[in-house]
Amino acid sequence: GESVGLHLPTLSVQEGDNSIINCAYSNSASDYFIWYKQESGKGPQFIIDIRSNMDKRQGQRVTVLLNKTVKHLSLQIAATQPGDSAVYFCAETSNAGGTSYGKLTFGQGTILTVHP
Amino acid sequence: NAGVTQTPKFQVLKTGQSMTLQCAQDMNHNSMYWYRQDPGMGLRLIYYSASEGTTDKGEVPNGYNVSRLNKREFSLRLESAAPSQTSVYFCASTLGGVYTEAFFGQGTRLTVV
Repeated sequence: GESVGLHLPTLSVQEGDNSIINCAYSNSASDYFIWYKQESGKGPQFIIDIRSNMDKRQGQRVTVLLNKTVKHLSLQIAATQPGDSAVYFCAETSNAGGTSYGKLTFGQGTILTVHP
Repeated sequence: NAGVTQTPKFQVLKTGQSMTLQCAQDMNHNSMYWYRQDPGMGLRLIYYSASEGTTDKGEVPNGYNVSRLNKREFSLRLESAAPSQTSVYFCASTLGGVYTEAFFGQGTRLTVV
């Protein structure tokens, strides 16, 4: 279903803390998941991805966890910095029908604010 | 290397006017997409082009048309703009194939009055 509402979930942390952003996805057929970061006035920027045959993937300061049983995805940011302040979106997709992996279904987004 | 470029960045239209949003990518990607983003919401897919010469509807296609002009360019047209089309529009592209990430443009902020 479509998200309705103008108030995004927010997460406020102190610089240096670890941040965890959660996302519930809807389609059991989705097999590719991506986290995007969107700064004010800019387009979404790729952070990290994970395929459905994995339950954890690590990047630089970021870790994505996937729990397919409960259709839940999380993004962990280690040692959060003020430059990490942005809106974070999870997105899901699949290659159902061979229509390519760019047909993304986005979550509502979470506003992360990092205080110095 | 510009990536995905959208023009214009900002636009104000009166109800009933038409306009075309332009998108071009220089990454030799096969697939291109148009999304809209409304306040407090994630992006929603309007139309996409899986490969040159093909286009298909996404989640919210009503009121829009698209043209895949060539491999690089994918335009979005509003024939008769409505206030409900006030939004930020993003173009994206992917290489195509499996597990390929989408690259997004900077967006076009459209206001229909």
